Amino acid sequence: GESVGLHLPTLSVQEGDNSIINCAYSNSASDYFIWYKQESGKGPQFIIDIRSNMDKRQGQRVTVLLNKTVKHLSLQIAATQPGDSAVYFCAEKGNYGQNFVFGPGTRLSVLP
Amino acid sequence: KAGVTQTPRYLIKTRGQQVTLSCSPISGHRSVSWYQQTPGQGLQFLFEYFSETQRNKGNFPGRFSGRQFSNSRSEMNVSTLELGDSALYLCASKSWGGETQYFGPGTRLLVL
Repeated sequence: GESVGLHLPTLSVQEGDNSIINCAYSNSASDYFIWYKQESGKGPQFIIDIRSNMDKRQGQRVTVLLNKTVKHLSLQIAATQPGDSAVYFCAEKGNYGQNFVFGPGTRLSVLP
Repeated sequence: KAGVTQTPRYLIKTRGQQVTLSCSPISGHRSVSWYQQTPGQGLQFLFEYFSETQRNKGNFPGRFSGRQFSNSRSEMNVSTLELGDSALYLCASKSWGGETQYFGPGTRLLVL
C-alpha cells in the first residue's frame, strides 16, 4: 500500500545554520506534496507545497525539492531560527480523489 | 479569514462512553477531513466530507463516524470508546477544486 516515510526522526541544528529534512514516498502516482509544521499543542501548519511537474519550489526561507526518480522529497530551511523548532511532516496525495498520506514526522530542534 | 476551529479543545471520557467532536471549516471551504494523531501511528486519515456526503474513508472501525451539515460544519462521533482512542483529533478543510488542506488546532481526547 501507500507509505510515506522519513529518514531521520530527529534533527538538531545550530541557530543560523541551514536545515534539511528528508522524506521518502513509495507511491509513484502521487502528484502533489505538502510540508507541514506542527508546534507543540497546535495543529499542523501549511509551509509549502509542490506538484509532481516541478522539481523545486521556493518560499520565504524554505525550499522544497522533489526527486521523482528516487521518490524523495526534502525541505530546506535557511538560517534556522528558534521558532523553527517543531515537528515537520511531509504528505503526499494522488490525483484521483485520494486522501493525503502523512509521513511519521521529523522533530527539528534548534540549538542556541 | 478565520481559520479552522474545533471544539472542544480537550475532553476526558471513560471507556464505553461516546463522544462527539465538532469542526467549523474556513469560510467558503466545503471539504472537511478528519485525522487521528497518536505518537505510535502518526497522522491517520479517518474520513472526508464534501457537500454533506462522505467521499473517502480510512481504515477505522465502524465506531468512528461523521457527518457534515449544509453550512459545511462537520462532526465526528466515536462510540464505545476504548483506551486506544486517546489521541489528538484533527480537522482540515479545503476549498472545492483546491488541494491544500488547512488544519484546525485539534481536540485532545483522553479515554480513561
